[in-house]
Amino acid sequence: KNEVEQSPQNLTAQEGEFITINCSYSVGISALHWLQQHPGGGIVSLFMLSSGKKKHGRLIATINIQEKHSSLHITASHPRDSAVYICAAEGMGGSEKLVFGKGTKLTVNP
Amino acid sequence: DVKVTQSSRYLVKRTGEKVFLECVQDMDHENMFWYRQDPGLGLRLIYFSYDVKMKEKGDIPEGYSVSREKKERFSLILESASTNQTSMYLCASSLAGVGDGYTFGSGTRLTVV
Repeated sequence: KNEVEQSPQNLTAQEGEFITINCSYSVGISALHWLQQHPGGGIVSLFMLSSGKKKHGRLIATINIQEKHSSLHITASHPRDSAVYICAAEGMGGSEKLVFGKGTKLTVNP
Repeated sequence: DVKVTQSSRYLVKRTGEKVFLECVQDMDHENMFWYRQDPGLGLRLIYFSYDVKMKEKGDIPEGYSVSREKKERFSLILESASTNQTSMYLCASSLAGVGDGYTFGSGTRLTVV
């Protein structure tokens, strides 16, 4: 079965903390997406990864293809990082469709 | 700035009404998708389209239909709205065959009363 699991489901942090959100998937994929959704807002694509690591500002995404695992890191977290972070796997079973994790709700307190 | 635009941000409809949710993209993307998002269930695929006039059922197509007469426009139709279709609806588009280019709309919060 094509599944994507995210952890933790909820995460509360203090401003400045280093944050890690994890995503694992059950079968081989062609790409892994990390998405961000602010309360009441639409979804923004943060990263698309097929191997290695990508960095954008304070956000870093890594993927380990052999272990079927990806992580999203936020350095020096800030209250404006509070959002739901969603990972999505593409290419499961050869499909171009995305299979989504259920999301991680991050709250960063000042 | 490239965009996926959903016609309404908030919508309130009555049970039994026919509802149209419109999505337009300006990126010449081949693929277009309709999802619904519910607490605890995440994003679930309703329908998708790989080309004009082509459509395929996703994971939860019951109670919905779609139309794609032009490449840039993908419409989701609720033939007879029901209260269990109250949800956030998200449209997305992507290039064919590659992982990059996935772009999401801002969502339509539909309430059926």
